[in-house]
Amino acid sequence: AQTVTQSQPEMSVQEAETVTLSCTYDTSENNYYLFWYKQPPSRQMILVIRQEAYKQQNATENRFSVNFQKAAKSFSLKISDSQLGDTAMYFCAFMSSNNNDMRFGAGTRLTVKP
Amino acid sequence: GAVVSQHPSWVICKSGTSVKIECRSLDFQATTMFWYRQFPKQSLMLMATSNEGSKATYEQGVEKDKFLINHASLTLSTLTVTSAHPEDSSFYICSAHWGSNYGYTFGSGTRLTVV
Repeated sequence: AQTVTQSQPEMSVQEAETVTLSCTYDTSENNYYLFWYKQPPSRQMILVIRQEAYKQQNATENRFSVNFQKAAKSFSLKISDSQLGDTAMYFCAFMSSNNNDMRFGAGTRLTVKP
Repeated sequence: GAVVSQHPSWVICKSGTSVKIECRSLDFQATTMFWYRQFPKQSLMLMATSNEGSKATYEQGVEKDKFLINHASLTLSTLTVTSAHPEDSSFYICSAHWGSNYGYTFGSGTRLTVV
């Protein structure tokens, strides 16, 4: 079974600064997908960024980028120019290409300070 | 596009009663839907995978007789919490898989409180 580990329960960053959230996972599969989701107080799950394992190039979405290290099974999220609205829980997730169900890490609570 | 509507957004019920939560794909057909449970300050835990026209697949430790899942059409899956108890109080979220492996949309969740 796949497991996803987020070792940082809480993090904080000053507004406009950069922060990196860590995520590691364990799988024996070669083809899979990785995601970062944001969950604000409303608890709606919002997709931040996604990465296909077969792509070597790191995904980027505006201020959000990932550092995908397949051999190390690492998938960290970098948030540049942090904004107050980035304050939320962030979940790293793994999706198998075999059964499409999604497994989540324990989450990192990010606080952006003014 | 790819909107998933989940209702109700919150519900309070008495211990021993049953509660039904609906998850509906509004603009696409979802052959597979997923049900998650999230306790306060915890992560989302997959409860079951709901497949249209067939029985749901439950994760280990999830009581299938307590959490009844029905996926009778390509746009609707329901989760019924039977004989609810206070320990069933939680946040339940559905999601639907569509199209390619990029397609994965979450409902807005249901906060269940059993008193």
